[in-house]
Amino acid sequence: AQSVTQLDSQVPVFEEAPVELRCNYSSSVSVYLFWYVQYPNQGLQLLLKYLSGSTLVKGINGFEAEFNKSQTSFHLRKPSVHISDTAEYFCAVSDPNTGGFKTIFGAGTRLFVKA
Amino acid sequence: DAMVIQNPRYQVTQFGKPVTLSCSQTLNHNVMYWYQQKSSQAPKLLFHYYDKDFNNEADTPDNFQSRRPNTSFCFLDIRSPGLGDAAMYLCATSRTGGTYNEQFFGPGTRLTVL
Repeated sequence: AQSVTQLDSQVPVFEEAPVELRCNYSSSVSVYLFWYVQYPNQGLQLLLKYLSGSTLVKGINGFEAEFNKSQTSFHLRKPSVHISDTAEYFCAVSDPNTGGFKTIFGAGTRLFVKA
Repeated sequence: DAMVIQNPRYQVTQFGKPVTLSCSQTLNHNVMYWYQQKSSQAPKLLFHYYDKDFNNEADTPDNFQSRRPNTSFCFLDIRSPGLGDAAMYLCATSRTGGTYNEQFFGPGTRLTVL
């Protein structure tokens, strides 16, 4: 079965500093990969997705992620964070061979940006 | 704006008292999902509808049921809520099951069980 591991439960960082949120997945087949953001008491919003093609994916709000098949990783990065980036971030995987209905989420990483 | 709407945003119920959560969408998507998200945990898929076809996850308790009377609306019924059912319940939609499944989420309903 597929699984997603987010290596850090919390990441504190100062404003304007770079950040990397780490994600590893376990799958022997091709997968689709996603990062979602969740602000307090809100639903999830898609930041970016990897389906195929270029391994460097750019998303909204200045975030990007790199797909590394050999390391089964999909780490999320931002070169300079803002206070407003404080939120929970979820990495997720979907198997295109299962009809796309099932998305497996990681446990989340809480990004806390300090002034 | 096209969106996914959940009502109410906050719901308080008593132990064992049935409760219904509502989700509606203006996206005209044919797939609708219900997730349970407990504090500091990942969202967990309970079930989904592909059009009128209901698909239950194997580990979803029988206490949880769902109805989809039309394309726009989907309901989550909890027949006898226990303390362990307190959580955020997220509704999501997608255009098709297909191979690519971008899901659009509502803001969630936070359920408290007293």
